[in-house]
Amino acid sequence: AQRVTQPEKLLSVFKGAPVELKCNYSYSGSPELFWYVQYSRQRLQLLLRHISRESIKGFTADLNKGETSFHLKKPFAQEEDSAMYYCALSGQGAQKLVFGQGTRLTINP
Amino acid sequence: GAVVSQHPSWVICKSGTSVKIECRSLDFQATTMFWYRQFPKQSLMLMATSNEGSKATYEQGVEKDKFLINHASLTLSTLTVTSAHPEDSSFYICSAIQGRTDTQYFGPGTRLTVL
Repeated sequence: AQRVTQPEKLLSVFKGAPVELKCNYSYSGSPELFWYVQYSRQRLQLLLRHISRESIKGFTADLNKGETSFHLKKPFAQEEDSAMYYCALSGQGAQKLVFGQGTRLTINP
Repeated sequence: GAVVSQHPSWVICKSGTSVKIECRSLDFQATTMFWYRQFPKQSLMLMATSNEGSKATYEQGVEKDKFLINHASLTLSTLTVTSAHPEDSSFYICSAIQGRTDTQYFGPGTRLTVL
């Protein structure tokens, strides 16, 4: 069964501090992993996907197949990073997404 | 960028009535759209995959006769909640796949409240 787990519902860090949002997944094949972000009063939008191997807004995420994790990291948090973050998975050859429960990130000034 | 709209943004209806929600891809064609449901403080749960010109594929546990999906054109999918009851009150979100980038773009959501 496909499953995405985000163990932290809430995460609060100070501006300038490093931030890591955890995501673990369960999937028997080779999944595609995503991070989506939802800023206050805005729609869900793609932040990054593992196949792109890119850094968006200073965030990076590395797929660790051994640990079945796809943690989202940023070395220096900014106040505008405060948002709801969802980790999601799609199965091999499929387009539909399975979402984690989400982590609300708050960056304190 | 690719934009997905939903209409209405919120709707209140009486129990037993039907409600139609529209999802449109504004500047691209989408052969595949998805419908999600989100309860307060919970994650998005996929309800069904909407395929242009064919029947929708529903996830396990989703009643196809209650949540009717029609994807009549490459830019429009509709979700009709039939004989709505208070437990159907939720936030319904659609998304559309843009073929060029294979990226899923989300609509702003529709808040349904059934009295």
